[in-house]
Amino acid sequence: SAVISQKPSRDICQRGTSLTIQCQVDSQVTMMFWYRQQPGQSLTLIATANQGSEATYESGFVIDKFPISRPNLTFSTLTVSNMSPEDSSIYLCSAGNGYTFGSGTRLTVV
Amino acid sequence: GENVEQHPSTLSVQEGDSAVIKCTYSDSASNYFPWYKQELGKRPQLIIDIRSNVGEKKDQRIAVTLNKTAKHFSLHITETQPEDSAVYFCAASIQRDTDKLIFGTGTRLQVFP
Repeated sequence: SAVISQKPSRDICQRGTSLTIQCQVDSQVTMMFWYRQQPGQSLTLIATANQGSEATYESGFVIDKFPISRPNLTFSTLTVSNMSPEDSSIYLCSAGNGYTFGSGTRLTVV
Repeated sequence: GENVEQHPSTLSVQEGDSAVIKCTYSDSASNYFPWYKQELGKRPQLIIDIRSNVGEKKDQRIAVTLNKTAKHFSLHITETQPEDSAVYFCAASIQRDTDKLIFGTGTRLQVFP
């Protein structure tokens, strides 16, 4: 299975600002996935990132709020834009090749 | 789209007893079903998975069963130990590695010594 590095591991941000989360995979993967895990909840898929094409967003998530980049087969970023306290969550990336997860980014918006 | 239901939401067992967690899925095209264990403050870890061409899979004290006709699958943990205490998530996917995973709501398992 792929090994995934994710950063930052945590951040406290002011409302109205943006945070970009990076996800690096140790092998080439076709698909990368971004999830949100709100406190005490399950994992909700935000979007699927396929290299060379626009990300596919799930219902309730839009590109303006969560822009995603996928410049190559080992890297992706998720930006949480114009943050509000409701965006406080853990954000996780996952890759094909075994559906391994990154260590997560714990985001607190104040 | 796919929807995965998971029961129970909490489960308490005595050390040494068995634990069973059940999930149902809605999309008959789903054919890959992993289970994850998430300890407090940590990322989900894949513990076992099953594909639709297999009815049961075992790995030491853990087993997963799949009933494609009924569209449900279950996680069985035997001889539970306190270190099994965690939140367990089931998930479903149409195509392993290239398709999204849809997760169940999670089961908090507590194993009492």
